[in-house]
Formats: sequence, C-alpha cells, structure tokens
Amino acid sequence: AQSVTQLDSQVPVFEEAPVELRCNYSSSVSVYLFWYVQYPNQGLQLLLKYLSGSTLVESINGFEAEFNKSQTSFHLRKPSVHISDTAEYFCAVSDPAFGNEKLTFGTGTRLTIIP
Amino acid sequence: GAVVSQHPSRVICKSGTSVKIECRSLDFQATTMFWYRQFPKQSLMLMATSNEGSKATYEQGVEKDKFLINHASLTLSTLTVTSAHPEDSSFYICSQTSGSTYEQYFGPGTRLTVT
Repeated sequence: AQSVTQLDSQVPVFEEAPVELRCNYSSSVSVYLFWYVQYPNQGLQLLLKYLSGSTLVESINGFEAEFNKSQTSFHLRKPSVHISDTAEYFCAVSDPAFGNEKLTFGTGTRLTIIP
Repeated sequence: GAVVSQHPSRVICKSGTSVKIECRSLDFQATTMFWYRQFPKQSLMLMATSNEGSKATYEQGVEKDKFLINHASLTLSTLTVTSAHPEDSSFYICSQTSGSTYEQYFGPGTRLTVT
C-alpha cells in the first residue's frame, strides 16, 4: 500500500525567503508524484507533477520539486516566496501499475507568508 | 485545465435526513470521477471511484448503502449521504481525471454539517 508523509503541518516563512516543503512516500513500486495547492476557499489545483524523465520538475510560478528515488522523497522548493503563495500544499502519489489514477494524499502543509 | 463545479458549497441538515451533492464537469467529458472526504487538518481520503454508466467502486471501510453515488452522464456525478448523522459532517470533494496526463481536476468542495 502507498502512503505519503508530510512532516510539517505548518510552515511560516518571511516574504522573499526560500522555502522547502517536505514530502516522503512509501511504495514498493514505481510511482507518479504530484503537488497540489489549495488557496483559501478554492479547490485543489495541480502545481506540478513527476511522471518520468527528468527528476527535477518546475511549475510556472517558481516552485520546483525533485524526485529522489533513493530517499523516496519529492520535496517542494521555492527560492523566494510571495504573499500570494499562502495556501495549503498537498503531496500525492499514484501507482501507474494499477492502471488507474487513484491518488493517495499527504496530510498537507499550510504555508503562511509573513510580510 | 478542466473546470469542475460542486453544488451546494455548504449544507446544513438534520440528523436522519439525506443530502445530495452534485459534481459537474463544465468543459470536459469525465468517464471517471472520484469522491473524497476531508476532515479538519487531515488528508483527503478517497471514498469511491465513480464510473459513468456503471456502479461506483468504494474504498474499504466506506458504506456503499450510506454514500450513494450515481454517475448518470459524462458531466454529472452525485453523492447522496443517506440518513446523515453528526459524524458524517465533513468536507466532501469531487474530482475528475484528465485521461492521459494522470492529472485530476478538483471541485471546490461541499461543507456538510449534520445537526
């Protein structure tokens, strides 16, 4: 069975400072990895994903995540955060071997940007 | 990405009554939709996979007779919470798959409160 661990439930960061949101997963097979973001009073939106190929993936708003198979991690990073990045971030994993797109989510990390 | 709507956004009902939540795909034909439940400060838990024109597939521990799912068309899936009890109070979220990109598009969620 798959599981996703997001150790940090809340992360406060000063504006323009760097941030890393941690995500570790456990799975016995190859996986697809995702980061979703939930802004206040909105639904979840895909931030970025890793399916195959380059282990470093980027989003259009400056976030990046690196798939590390040996450490079973998919940490999310941004070198300089903005107030608008305040949101809940969810890491998720799916197992392509099952031939469907069921997602297993972590418990989420609330990122708060301090002006 | 695809747009998914949910109705209602909030509902309060009395214990013992039934509540129907609609999930609509506004610009995409979704053969598969997912229903999740999210408790405060917890992860999204997959309840069931809804397949157009066939019976839903429920996750272990989810009562199919209590959480009725109907996916009558490619743009509409409904979740009916029957004989609701206070412990059913939660945030219910639906999503649809994109097909080939393993991305899910999420609705904004429905907050159910059972009194």
